Amino acid sequence: LAKTTQPISMDSYEGQEVNITCSHNNIATNDYITWYQQFPSQGPRFIIQGYKTKVTNEVASLFIPADRKSSTLSLPRVSLSDTAVYYCLVVYNQGGKLIFGQGTELSVKP
Amino acid sequence: SQTIHQWPATLVQPVGSPLSLECTVEGTSNPNLYWYRQAAGRGLQLLFYSVGIGQISSEVPQNLSASRPQDRQFILSSKKLLLSDSGFYLCAWSIGAGGRTDTQYFGPGTRLTVL
Repeated sequence: LAKTTQPISMDSYEGQEVNITCSHNNIATNDYITWYQQFPSQGPRFIIQGYKTKVTNEVASLFIPADRKSSTLSLPRVSLSDTAVYYCLVVYNQGGKLIFGQGTELSVKP
Repeated sequence: SQTIHQWPATLVQPVGSPLSLECTVEGTSNPNLYWYRQAAGRGLQLLFYSVGIGQISSEVPQNLSASRPQDRQFILSSKKLLLSDSGFYLCAWSIGAGGRTDTQYFGPGTRLTVL
């Protein structure tokens, strides 16, 4: 069964770089990896999406190794407002299943 | 720009009562639409998705049903609510091949409490 795995929680301090890794062992050739951010009682917000190697936008970078069995979301210089739950989503081509990980609760401290 | 609305924002219902949650999308045509439930503990569970009017796919057997009477309207319903139906219900939309590489955009959610 297709599944993603993330750490349950992470702590960081303001100004640090945070890296959150997601494992997706059963990813197939045509599947993409997407990351979302969610604040309490709000809908998840799209952060970044990638297929292989590295993708960067104004808020984050996504690193995907050659075997694509994992991916790492990198948040540069986090602030208190980055405290949220971060979800890894892999859209599995087989069966059209949309699988969210359990999310990583990031706590940024002053 | 595209926007997605959900209502009501919060709802408290007794066990056995019916349910109707509505989701509408503006600023796009023929979107793919999704209903998720988020119980305590954070995980998002896909309940239903739709690639067009009248086309509904159910991901898990449950006490809920979904309908898509119009292109940009998605409704989640139940005839008789259970305690286990409590949770945070999220609607999402995407444009593309129907759930494969599509980026999904989420609504603000509805907090449902069944007593």
